[in-house]
Amino acid sequence: ETGVTQSPTHLIKTRGQQVTLRCSSQSGHNTVSWYQQALGQGPQFIFQYYREEENGRGNFPPRFSGLQFPNYSSELNVNALELDDSALYLCASSVGQQETQYFGPGTRLLVL
Amino acid sequence: RKEVEQDPGPFNVPEGATVAFNCTYSNSASQSFFWYRQDCRKEPKLLMSVYSSGNEDGRFTAQLNRASQYISLLIRDSKLSDSATYLCVVNDAITGNQFYFGTGTSLTVIP
Repeated sequence: ETGVTQSPTHLIKTRGQQVTLRCSSQSGHNTVSWYQQALGQGPQFIFQYYREEENGRGNFPPRFSGLQFPNYSSELNVNALELDDSALYLCASSVGQQETQYFGPGTRLLVL
Repeated sequence: RKEVEQDPGPFNVPEGATVAFNCTYSNSASQSFFWYRQDCRKEPKLLMSVYSSGNEDGRFTAQLNRASQYISLLIRDSKLSDSATYLCVVNDAITGNQFYFGTGTSLTVIP
């Protein structure tokens, strides 16, 4: 059984650029949630995708968007990057919307 | 007010000690509760779910107090490998699918 994978592992961008982060869910999981974790903080919920539809969103602006594909993998897109977007971006998959979430290793994004 | 609040610590305890962490949550209608463990520069990993009746997994015991809206984690006979940040997690009471994480409690077990 393959766990949750994310790519890339690290990324450096400049302000104003756009970034796409990718996540493959664990086998058998149909739900993907994305989180942002700033240094010294707990993960903050960005949004969740269930059966290719956004299924809940945290307090993040519209420049944070996502997709889920038929194979349940997912992308997080961030437009017009700001310095404060520098963080660890975590993807978590689950067998359902309210079930236990299993995390991937994350993507570390640095915005200069 | 934050959805989930934890004492950030740090907790520094000797090997073999018993240590307890508490976490409070703001919404009385929350239904799912978890403890996750996060090692430095790694992803959070599920330690245990927390059930209404309390539950135990080896040296770890989790308790839920709905009346006071807090969750606890007890670690007995601490090992060096228990050193990590422990995150308290509560689901959103309305949608159920949004998970709220505390800021984490840092534990260092000292030889």
